[in-house]
Amino acid sequence: DSGVTQTPKHLITATGQRVTLRCSPRSGDLSVYWYQQSLDQGLQFLIQYYNGEERAKGNILERFSAQQFPDLHSELNLSSLELGDSALYFCASSVETGGNYGYTFGSGTRLTVV
Amino acid sequence: QKEVEQDPGPLSVPEGAIVSLNCTYSNSAFQYFMWYRQYSRKGPELLMYTYSSGNKEDGRFTAQVDKSSKYISLFIRDSQPSDSATYLCAMSAFNQGGKLIFGQGTELSVKP
Repeated sequence: DSGVTQTPKHLITATGQRVTLRCSPRSGDLSVYWYQQSLDQGLQFLIQYYNGEERAKGNILERFSAQQFPDLHSELNLSSLELGDSALYFCASSVETGGNYGYTFGSGTRLTVV
Repeated sequence: QKEVEQDPGPLSVPEGAIVSLNCTYSNSAFQYFMWYRQYSRKGPELLMYTYSSGNKEDGRFTAQVDKSSKYISLFIRDSQPSDSATYLCAMSAFNQGGKLIFGQGTELSVKP
């Protein structure tokens, strides 16, 4: 157990729907990162929050949004889902904002859009 | 062209072999270099972290960074079947916040 908790582990939903993925960071970590992993694109950075504020943004689609709450847990919202959004979504956390020393990943949410 | 290139393998070696995994990159601003190990259906696990050029050793693992060649390596000595996993290199620049750029990952299989 890495200490980063992601729920749910698996999610199957239909195209056009909206889902919310949840992440609880490791105790003491203030930064939360979201990544998407697909077979063709590999691990792609989506967005980072540090202590409730957005700090860095990757190639995150406009249909996707995220936030970090006062208790530091984070949610990734995916809307108007398409078949191509099927992927593993990972959350990671670190104590500092830079992430340059590496961070700790959760076990992921496997999203299947049908 | 991708910022980080990594041979996806698969790479199959006998138990006890020395394994060499490599990545090349194009962004000269990268200063922080990491290796992650990912078992099937699990999240990536940080193995090694290196800042700038040089070598770092941790048990059976050695990470090397050659910034002049934009080339990083991970060596695994006395490989074990439990080392069978996908190995991902990752790197970041000082001014990119927490964003890591990952290689595609190399799938390694160590046969008993």
